[in-house]
Amino acid sequence: GEDVEQSLFLSVREGDSSVINCTYTDSSSTYLYWYKQEPGAGLQLLTYIFSNMDMKQDQRLTVLLNKKDKHLSLRIADTQTGDSAIYFCAEIKAGTYKYIFGTGTRLKVLA
Amino acid sequence: GAVVSQHPSRVICKSGTSVKIECRSLDFQATTMFWYRQFPKQSLMLMATSNEGSKATYEQGVEKDKFLINHASLTLSTLTVTSAHPEDSSFYICSARAGTTNTGELFFGEGSRLTVL
Repeated sequence: GEDVEQSLFLSVREGDSSVINCTYTDSSSTYLYWYKQEPGAGLQLLTYIFSNMDMKQDQRLTVLLNKKDKHLSLRIADTQTGDSAIYFCAEIKAGTYKYIFGTGTRLKVLA
Repeated sequence: GAVVSQHPSRVICKSGTSVKIECRSLDFQATTMFWYRQFPKQSLMLMATSNEGSKATYEQGVEKDKFLINHASLTLSTLTVTSAHPEDSSFYICSARAGTTNTGELFFGEGSRLTVL
């Protein structure tokens, strides 16, 4: 399909790990991204992964990529209340600068 | 990282008036900027791709006469919502690609919330 899909909501307790999943559409996408959006604000790039990588770790963030299944995940270790936000995955269509954003996952961190 | 600034962050206007939103890349040159629209609790919908010095490329279903885009310089793109109506109320976000990066990273503005009464 055309949609980049994510689960809509995720709720975790402070200190636990969060895993946000994404299924993308274009197997030829070269880069895949995770963005964070806080209420009423624009998007902030968290991390990205190149399509020839399986995993990328950046401090508390771990990105896993399964190209066969076109599945991308973002793991946030030791989740904090400041991590509460909407998280979007995005793919870039091959040969273009067009980003296709996922539906967004609203993460709520409970104290 | 690169900074993209939008102005105004919030605007309220009467139905039938036109509203201009500016998107500026503050510390880099952006040959390509993108305009998105975001409805409450929904994802970003790409409206158009703004190319410096040429006409914008609009996505299917987006009225180019309604949403005028001008990319007159390498640091400024504007979106004008003409004859605004309440259904145009939305959160508009611009982004710009920094030409020096190889990652294809987009830098986003803070967004502009338009409310049409």
